[in-house]
Amino acid sequence: QSALTQPASVSGSPGQSITISCTGTSSDVGGYNYVSWYQQHPGKAPKVMIYEVSNRPSGVSNRFSGSKSGNTASLTISGLQAEDEADYYCTSYTTNNTWLFGGGSKLTVL
Amino acid sequence: QVQLVQSGSELMKPGASVKVSCKASGYTFSRYGMNWVRQAPGQGLEWMGWINTNTGNPTYAQGFRGRFVISLDTSVSTAYLQISSLRAEDTAMYYCARETSGLIDYWGQGTLVTVSS
Repeated sequence: QSALTQPASVSGSPGQSITISCTGTSSDVGGYNYVSWYQQHPGKAPKVMIYEVSNRPSGVSNRFSGSKSGNTASLTISGLQAEDEADYYCTSYTTNNTWLFGGGSKLTVL
Repeated sequence: QVQLVQSGSELMKPGASVKVSCKASGYTFSRYGMNWVRQAPGQGLEWMGWINTNTGNPTYAQGFRGRFVISLDTSVSTAYLQISSLRAEDTAMYYCARETSGLIDYWGQGTLVTVSS
């Protein structure tokens, strides 16, 4: 199974909004609402930012939001801050009863 | 509080085996599945498999069948990842991560396995 497709890099200036896409198939992203997004800073373990497409765990800023349309899920970060600079990964449950990660997107805050 | 504490870094020779542990605390171990995720140097996250901590039944991703074994010792709330016939390309950070109903929430700190002659 190939990884979900994410842009390799995205960038934005402080205060702006950015969106990271995550494209899969009807066997994963399109077939389930079990899509999550993880933030990973260098040398650290991933941290969940969004789960079940659009839910935020407690403690995660409401500047982070998620959505899905068809086989593509999206993570939007509004009011970009320097601390948001990190790698972001999407993941989806699949029809094989497995999880599949995206290739990751490096967010640069200009 | 929920904690997943993994064993320390390992430097292994090609062909050897390694067993990485992940000790859970702060919750009822059998109520949550445990996943293992690999991250090669400078690369992305790769889901390896998970184990049902109730039944002990593991499920593996396609590329992780054969040399990789996920197991449990419920008496000490610990999950294990064993890798045999190690190769240079197995050099990576290995994470354990707790799962509940469609959400992988808590992650261990990671264990770096380096395979080098």
